[in-house]
Amino acid sequence: DAGVIQSPRHEVTEMGQEVTLRCKPISGHNSLFWYRQTMMRGLELLIYFNNNVPIDDSGMPEDRFSAKMPNASFSTLKIQPSEPRDSAVYFCASSLIRGAWYGYTFGSGTRLTVV
Amino acid sequence: ILNVEQSPQSLHVQEGDSTNFTCSFPSSNFYALHWYRWETAKSPEALFVMTLNGDEKKKGRISATLNTKEGYSYLYIKGSQPEDSATYLCAFKGGSQGNLIFGKGTKLSVKP
Repeated sequence: DAGVIQSPRHEVTEMGQEVTLRCKPISGHNSLFWYRQTMMRGLELLIYFNNNVPIDDSGMPEDRFSAKMPNASFSTLKIQPSEPRDSAVYFCASSLIRGAWYGYTFGSGTRLTVV
Repeated sequence: ILNVEQSPQSLHVQEGDSTNFTCSFPSSNFYALHWYRWETAKSPEALFVMTLNGDEKKKGRISATLNTKEGYSYLYIKGSQPEDSATYLCAFKGGSQGNLIFGKGTKLSVKP
């Protein structure tokens, strides 16, 4: 298995531009998570999907952030318009949720820099 | 607000030293505790998933214990090696429907 695949690995964009981050979870996993990692706050959960349905988006910072999961093998996280404070590493993770028996498998992350 | 605290924030040891660090979490509504190993420029990798009070897990030189009644878990590394250098994250899951809440990690540096 190729693991959780994220693209792009690095993204540099100008303030005000739209940014789209992509994630392909592990085949057969039914839960997908988007996390943001910053020095100040560590790993923060942004949104969580179960069976392609958003379950908890309380971590999404504001309306500029949106996430979709149109099918079991693909998810996007969009920021529009982007701001310098959005600069961070964004991780996607997937898991088989049966109780809590399974760890999460993380992608390699997308390092976003907004200038 | 659920708080997951890890200590120390960073740790520097010599090769061959044994070390341990702590994860503190809410003692109520416990469901599971995860440990992850996160090497620089890579992504976090799951080490252990612990669910029962008194659980002990072991993988090679790394082991972990769990006390759900008092809300803490210890991670131990025996005979640290330079390749153990990484950030070790713990994550708490409260309730079957709860999300994983991550601590900020303990950054371990092992000098040869």
